[in-house]
Amino acid sequence: GQNIDQPTEMTATEGAIVQINCTYQTSGFNGLFWYQQHAGEAPTFLSYNVLDGLEEKGRFSSFLSRSKGYSYLLLKELQMKDSASYLCAALDSNYQLIWGAGTKLIIKP
Amino acid sequence: DADVTQTPRNRITKTGKRIMLECSQTKGHDRMYWYRQDPGLGLRLIYYSFDVKDINKGEISDGYSVSRQAQAKFSLSLESAIPNQTALYFCATSVKDRDTGELFFGEGSRLTVL
Repeated sequence: GQNIDQPTEMTATEGAIVQINCTYQTSGFNGLFWYQQHAGEAPTFLSYNVLDGLEEKGRFSSFLSRSKGYSYLLLKELQMKDSASYLCAALDSNYQLIWGAGTKLIIKP
Repeated sequence: DADVTQTPRNRITKTGKRIMLECSQTKGHDRMYWYRQDPGLGLRLIYYSFDVKDINKGEISDGYSVSRQAQAKFSLSLESAIPNQTALYFCATSVKDRDTGELFFGEGSRLTVL
């Protein structure tokens, strides 16, 4: 079956760095997405990786290893507004998104 | 104004009632989707539509139906609501370029079935 695994919850300190991991098993693979979702709000797109390596976008970076079925989202210089859930999703061979349950990130002062 | 608008934002109803959730978009996207989100679970696809004459079942379509009235409008119906359909429902759109798959979500419709 198809599956996305990511930690349920993580805690980090304001100003620090945090890495949120995601492993996936899908029927084929056409890319890996990260979305941010604040409580009670809609998910918003953060990043898309289809090739191995690191994609940097400001304070956020996303990494992909296709051979390992693994991705991570790296958040630097954490701010209180980064408190949210981070959703990992993989695009399968039918171009359907398979979603993880999300990682709730709690930022402490 | 939001590019993807859902109505109602919140609805409480009783078992057996018919419910319609509406979605409209001003992004000009061809593709529209309905998802539900439950605590501890990933987003699950209910139905999707790639253009006005195209309707496809998703992962969990049982108990739901949809209508694509126009490029900009995609409605989700629960013909006879049941308590396990209590969830947060999201409409989403995307462009035709499926290689990116980036979705644009509405603000969500919270449905409670008593």
